[in-house]
Amino acid sequence: EPEVTQTPSHQVTQMGQEVILRCVPISNHLYFYWYRQILGQKVEFLVSFYNNEISEKSEIFDDQFSVERPDGSNFTLKIRSTKLEDSAMYFCASSAGGAKNIQYFGAGTRLSVL
Amino acid sequence: AQSVTQLDSHVSVSEGTPVLLRCNYSSSYSPSLFWYVQHPNKGLQLLLKYTSAATLVKGINGFEAEFKKSETSFHLTKPSAHMSDAAEYFCVVSDQDQAGTALIFGKGTTLSVSS
Repeated sequence: EPEVTQTPSHQVTQMGQEVILRCVPISNHLYFYWYRQILGQKVEFLVSFYNNEISEKSEIFDDQFSVERPDGSNFTLKIRSTKLEDSAMYFCASSAGGAKNIQYFGAGTRLSVL
Repeated sequence: AQSVTQLDSHVSVSEGTPVLLRCNYSSSYSPSLFWYVQHPNKGLQLLLKYTSAATLVKGINGFEAEFKKSETSFHLTKPSAHMSDAAEYFCVVSDQDQAGTALIFGKGTTLSVSS
């Protein structure tokens, strides 16, 4: 069964450093998403991406965040200058498109900012 | 703005007994409602989805949920729990059944199943 894969499973970085989280969505999917979950809090939507453009973003997704689909298979989330409060589990998701919003999620990357 | 409230952070049941995980939603629109499950070190897996067809929705692994508009509820049930059902369960709402739309998650309910 096709699945969304995320790498690495755990990323440790120093405050102020740039970090890139990587995702390989399901191959025929057209929409891509990032969510995050700070420990003890809800899973929160960050951004959705379609046709090489951001289609929707939340207030959390400020200028320190960016997304990119650098090739036909990867979808990345870049955090330019990490803060302690960026420590969270980051989930990537993808969906096929059309009138059904069924999103398939990866196992997540745990980001620890020290 | 839409939101979901999962009424229990932790539910414990014995194997073979019924499971009830409670969820209330708030939405300005006719919502799409989902239940997702997360087993340790696994991705979030879709259990079932409601989109204004039948109010009783059947999902995978014997789970089902009933949409009750008058109560703004979407509780998840299973007649008989298995040990493998132990996981984190998320109630989720979306204001449109359209790809690209954000999903809004509840805080999650941890289900423990004892033998």
